[in-house]
Order: sequence, then C-alpha cells, then structure tokens
Amino acid sequence: EVQLVQPGAEVIKPGESLKISCKASGYNFTKHWITWVRQMPGKGLEWMGMIYPGDPDIRYSPSFQGQVTISADKSINTAYLQWSSLKASDTAIYYCARVIRVLSWGAMDVWGQGTTVTVSS
Amino acid sequence: QSALTQPASVSGSPGQSITISCTGTSSDVGGYNYVSWFQQHPGKAPKLIIYDVFNRPSGVSNRFSGSKSGTTASLTISGLQAEDEADYYCSSFRTSRTSYVIFGGGTKLTVL
Repeated sequence: EVQLVQPGAEVIKPGESLKISCKASGYNFTKHWITWVRQMPGKGLEWMGMIYPGDPDIRYSPSFQGQVTISADKSINTAYLQWSSLKASDTAIYYCARVIRVLSWGAMDVWGQGTTVTVSS
Repeated sequence: QSALTQPASVSGSPGQSITISCTGTSSDVGGYNYVSWFQQHPGKAPKLIIYDVFNRPSGVSNRFSGSKSGTTASLTISGLQAEDEADYYCSSFRTSRTSYVIFGGGTKLTVL
C-alpha cells in the first residue's frame, strides 16, 4: 500500500525552529515529487513547494521562498519541511502529498494525514 | 500570488448535475493542460479526483468529469449524491518569473 505518514501534531513557541517529517512507503520514493501544502484554520489549500528526491530538485512557491526549507533523505524515504523561526501566523495543518507523475506538478494522488502545527506562547 | 478564481459556493439536489468553474490566466489554466481537482471533506485530507484537465485517477467515480475552455477549467459532478457535499479545489501549473503550482480559493458544494 502506498502511504505517507506524518506526525499528528506539534506545539511550539514563537521564535523556535521546527522540522516536520513525511515518511513514504509502498513505492519508489526517488521517482515522484513530494509536495507540501498549507491549510490555515478554516481556509483553503496553499501550495508551498516540492522536492524530487531522486535528484534532488527543489521548487518553492514565491509566497514561501525563503520562509521554509524543503529537504529529503532518500536513504530513509522521508521528506521534511522546516522553519528556523516560527510565528503565530504559521499555525496551520501541513500536508505532504505525492505527485502522480513527473510533469503533472499539481496532481497529488497520495496524501499524508497532515501535521497540525500550533505556534503559541 | 493570486489564487485561481472559484465560486465560493454551489448547490444542487440529489440526482442533479452541477459545474464548478476555475478561472485563471494564460500563464496557468489557459497555457497548460495541468489542471487538477480535489475533494476535501471536513477534517480530512484532500482527495485527487481529476488531473491533467480530464483524467480520473483509478477508483474515482465517472460521475466526476473535467474540461477546459480558454482560461477556465470546469468540474462537473453528475447524479449528485449526499456524500458529494464537500469543499472542492482546483490547481494549475503556473509560470511567471518561475514555475510553481497555484490553487483556487475553493468551492463549498451543498447537496440540498
């Protein structure tokens, strides 16, 4: 079974750093883009960026460039999303998702369950 | 970055058909056949229902269909069922100074 597994929740204080994970199984991790998507409370989906673990090639949305870092460790089939200094406005659910085929960047066919990040003092 | 434009809400009765539009520009929807549609139920992760304008992933009902004309893509759901009540999002590849993906603002479908 193709799966992406994420931690359920993280609670962190403003100004702290955080790295969340997305562990893939059931397919060749190096052959599909992994995308990160933000969903703020009660709001829509926002595409943050993606990584092709086989290269790795990394692309960012202009809205998130410089705000987050996307990486991957293909030896353990895991992608990461990290922040160096979180703000309260970063409170959201963060999903990782697999892109169905190389050229169809916006077509994510397998999704993690999402990590709820709460930034609060 | 401005999102693709979707109606905030649509509604229909069981058995009817509805269409949700997704309007962009020549830099995204109009320039590439890389439009996808997602269904999201409350508290759940999104689900891919259409990709590359009109393709359905394996296991997705053929009641869902996609199309595109110019800079507007459309999702049609035929034979509405109660379980179709959800939020729907479109996405598209976009190129400006760089290439990335943009989502629509989302449409709430209510089955009356």
